[in-house]
Amino acid sequence: GEDVEQSLFLSVREGDSSVINCTYTDSSSTYLYWYKQEPGAGLQLLTYIFSNMDMKQDQRLTVLLNKKDKHLSLRIADTQTGDSAIYFCAESRNRDDKIIFGKGTRLHILP
Amino acid sequence: NAGVTQTPKFRVLKTGQSMTLLCAQDMNHEYMYWYRQDPGMGLRLIHYSVGEGTTAKGEVPDGYNVSRLKKQNFLLGLESAAPSQTSVYFCASSYGGQGADEQFFGPGTRLTVL
Repeated sequence: GEDVEQSLFLSVREGDSSVINCTYTDSSSTYLYWYKQEPGAGLQLLTYIFSNMDMKQDQRLTVLLNKKDKHLSLRIADTQTGDSAIYFCAESRNRDDKIIFGKGTRLHILP
Repeated sequence: NAGVTQTPKFRVLKTGQSMTLLCAQDMNHEYMYWYRQDPGMGLRLIHYSVGEGTTAKGEVPDGYNVSRLKKQNFLLGLESAAPSQTSVYFCASSYGGQGADEQFFGPGTRLTVL
C-alpha cells in the first residue's frame, strides 16, 4: 500500500541549513507536499512539487525530487528559530485522491 | 476571513459519553476533512466530504460519524467515546479535490477520554 516515511527528529544549529528527507512507496504519486506544523497549531502548506519536476525553489526553501528513488527532500537555508516545527511530507496520486501524510519530522534549532 | 475554526479547543470525556466537534470554514470550500493526530502516527483521515450533503469514509472511520448539512460546517460525532479516541482532531478544508488544492487546517481539538 501507499506509505510515506520520514525520520522523526532533526537538530540543526541556527544559521545552518536543514535537510529533511522523505521516501514514498507509490510510484503513481503525482503531487508531493511539505506541510509545517507549529506548536499548538494546525498544519500549513509550505510548498509542493509535481512529479514531473526535479526541483523547486522558493526563497529559503528548496525541494528536491528523485522520482527514480522515490525520495523527496526539503532544504531550509539559514535556519532560524522560527523554523522550529514539525514538517510533514505528503503525497497524492491525482487531484481527487486522498493525501497520505508521513509521521512528521520535528526540527529542533540549537543556539 | 477566520479561515477554519474548530469548537471546542479542549474536551475531557468519560468512556461511553458522546460529543460533537464542530468545524466551520468561511472560504466557500467544497471539500472538508476530519483527521486525527496521534504521537508517532502522523495524520490519519477519519471522514471527509466533497460537498454539502455528502460524506465519505477515510482511513479510520470506525467509532465516528459525520454530517455536512451546510457547506460551511462539518461535524464530527463520537457516539460512545473510548480511551482509544484520545487524540488531537484537526479539521481541514480545500477548494478542489484532495490532491489538487492546498488544505487549510483548523487549530485542532485536544480530546481526552478517561
